[in-house]
Amino acid sequence: QVQLVESGGGLVKPGGSLRLSCAASGFTFSDYYMSWLRQAPGKGLEWVSHISTSSTYTDYADSVKGRFTISRDNAKNSLYLQMNSLRVEDTAVFYCAIYNSGWYSYWGQGTLVTVSS
Amino acid sequence: EIVMTQSPATLSVSPRERATLSCRASHDVISNLAWYQHKPGQAPRLLIYGASTRATDIPARFSGSGSGTEFTLTISNLQSEDFAVYYCQQYNNWPFTFGQGTRLDIK
Repeated sequence: QVQLVESGGGLVKPGGSLRLSCAASGFTFSDYYMSWLRQAPGKGLEWVSHISTSSTYTDYADSVKGRFTISRDNAKNSLYLQMNSLRVEDTAVFYCAIYNSGWYSYWGQGTLVTVSS
Repeated sequence: EIVMTQSPATLSVSPRERATLSCRASHDVISNLAWYQHKPGQAPRLLIYGASTRATDIPARFSGSGSGTEFTLTISNLQSEDFAVYYCQQYNNWPFTFGQGTRLDIK
């Protein structure tokens, strides 16, 4: 069955960096656009970024543009999110998800990123 | 950006009864709307897309309706495993946006 397992979250100081990973299994990873979404404490879900099947196309929410970089390795069935210049307001649970024609068909359980001094 | 507003914020319903959750879009999203179920510590789960099409393996007690700016998720014959937070999401305009969620509690 489809599995998405995020890792790499943790506690980081403002201005710091983290790299999130998402290990995918149970489907043909290279056939699907993939996305990162997040949920800040007490807030709703927010789309962060997505990437096309061959990495040709990427897009970002305005709130992370210029600071976050999405990438993928189809040979390793893995999705990544490099997060630089982290801010307190980036504190959230980050989810990877399969993007499918507008909706997100499968999600991981998430990894918590806490930005605090 | 399209703002999605869900109501009520919390809904208390008894098992085996019906729950009706609402989602309103600030602009017309046609039928480009999805619903998700989210339980604490678990992955969000896609329930409905295209406003009314059930996703794979979703029980028939979950149904979606609506178009334009007004949408409804109805859960019939509530089971214990249905008590969770539910989110709507529009995918008609970038950036895709989610509602703030409706928490469905056991009455």
